[in-house]
Amino acid sequence: GQSLEQPSEVTAVEGAIVQINCTYQTSGFYGLSWYQQHDGGAPTFLSYNALDGLEETGRFSSFLSRSDSYGYLLLQELQMKDSASYFCAVNPSNTGKLIFGQGTTLQVKP
Amino acid sequence: EAGVTQSPTHLIKTRGQQATLRCSPISGHTSVYWYQQALGLGLQFLLWYDEGEERNRGNFPPRFSGRQFPNYSSELNVNALELEDSALYLCASSLGQDGGLPLYSGANVLTFGAGSRLTVL
Repeated sequence: GQSLEQPSEVTAVEGAIVQINCTYQTSGFYGLSWYQQHDGGAPTFLSYNALDGLEETGRFSSFLSRSDSYGYLLLQELQMKDSASYFCAVNPSNTGKLIFGQGTTLQVKP
Repeated sequence: EAGVTQSPTHLIKTRGQQATLRCSPISGHTSVYWYQQALGLGLQFLLWYDEGEERNRGNFPPRFSGRQFPNYSSELNVNALELEDSALYLCASSLGQDGGLPLYSGANVLTFGAGSRLTVL
């Protein structure tokens, strides 16, 4: 089977740093992506890692360790607007299909 | 540039009826994906179409079906509706595939529509 595990909820305060972890078990692996979904909105692409290491995009960074089947999304200088659900997703077959985790709901408090 | 558009926004049906959901991809995108998002759950892969062909199918019964039209828009049909089919149905599009390899080197970035909320009573 194919599965992705991520925490269901995370709470942090404005200005803080938060890390959302994702572990995966899939038949193949061609990259780990992260998507953000605000309540009632469409998921939007945040970042992608195909190789080990850290990718930085502004306040957001994403890390991948293929040997550990593990990645994380790091959000810095948290803002209220970052309150949303965050999904990790694996491309298991180098095709269009992505397998998504159950999502982590991030609540940013003042 | 218009994003991925889905219709209807909301749909209410009763058990046993059929539902049809529609999706228009971003111009230039030939791949369309359908995902089901039940309340509080993640995105479950339903179907993937590329160049008019069904490329892959998720672990859903045959009463979930669809098609892709020559203009790359797509339709998802759900027959014999059951209460547990109540969910947000998300459509996404991306650049097409060529022999199974993404034309876009790097992430296969999906652009999602806002979804169609199906309620089965």
